[in-house]
Amino acid sequence: NAGVTQTPKFQVLKTGQSMTLQCAQDMNHEYMSWYRQDPGMGLRLIHYSVGAGITDQGEVPNGYNVSRSTTEDFPLRLLSAAPSQTSVYFCASRPGQGGQLSNTIYFGEGSWLTVV
Amino acid sequence: DAKTTQPNSMESNEEEPVHLPCNHSTISGTDYIHWYRQLPSQGPEYVIHGLTSNVNNRMASLAIAEDRKSSTLILHRATLRDAAVYYCILREIYNQGGKLIFGQGTELSVKP
Repeated sequence: NAGVTQTPKFQVLKTGQSMTLQCAQDMNHEYMSWYRQDPGMGLRLIHYSVGAGITDQGEVPNGYNVSRSTTEDFPLRLLSAAPSQTSVYFCASRPGQGGQLSNTIYFGEGSWLTVV
Repeated sequence: DAKTTQPNSMESNEEEPVHLPCNHSTISGTDYIHWYRQLPSQGPEYVIHGLTSNVNNRMASLAIAEDRKSSTLILHRATLRDAAVYYCILREIYNQGGKLIFGQGTELSVKP
């Protein structure tokens, strides 16, 4: 059982370049989300999705786009990379249970992104 | 979302119990208390959660104050593999999208 898989694990970008961080989960989870973690800080929510075709903004959405065409995949796109986007990115998923909260959120292992 | 307050760091000796405190004085009646931990260079990992009653699982115990304004994560016998940053997080019962508000957490170091 792979769980939440993120690729690539490491990436260096030049300012202005675009790229996509991939996230896939094989647990048939409805909810998926992207967080970023800056050095010495907790995670901050970028975007999230409550199901295929539905996405919404989190706490720090500027400079990022997402889409959710399938249940399994939730890619994060950096439109024009900036040094301020240097961070570690985590994808997460959890099952949906009709709004009741009792379940665990599963995180990927992270993608280290450096923008120079 | 209500905020939590945790000590920045704590130390423990291996094989001894560890009590990690968390204050959440503005907790609402529909907030669950969640604990996650993050080992070095890894994504956060679920530890335990509760609402009002104390909870136990194979990883830890969660003790919740009667007024719910504070809680304590208890690791019964710390091992070197428990060295991590521990996050205490409040999550509203009908929170959609798996949103978690992370503070800075408590960095636990375990001495052999």
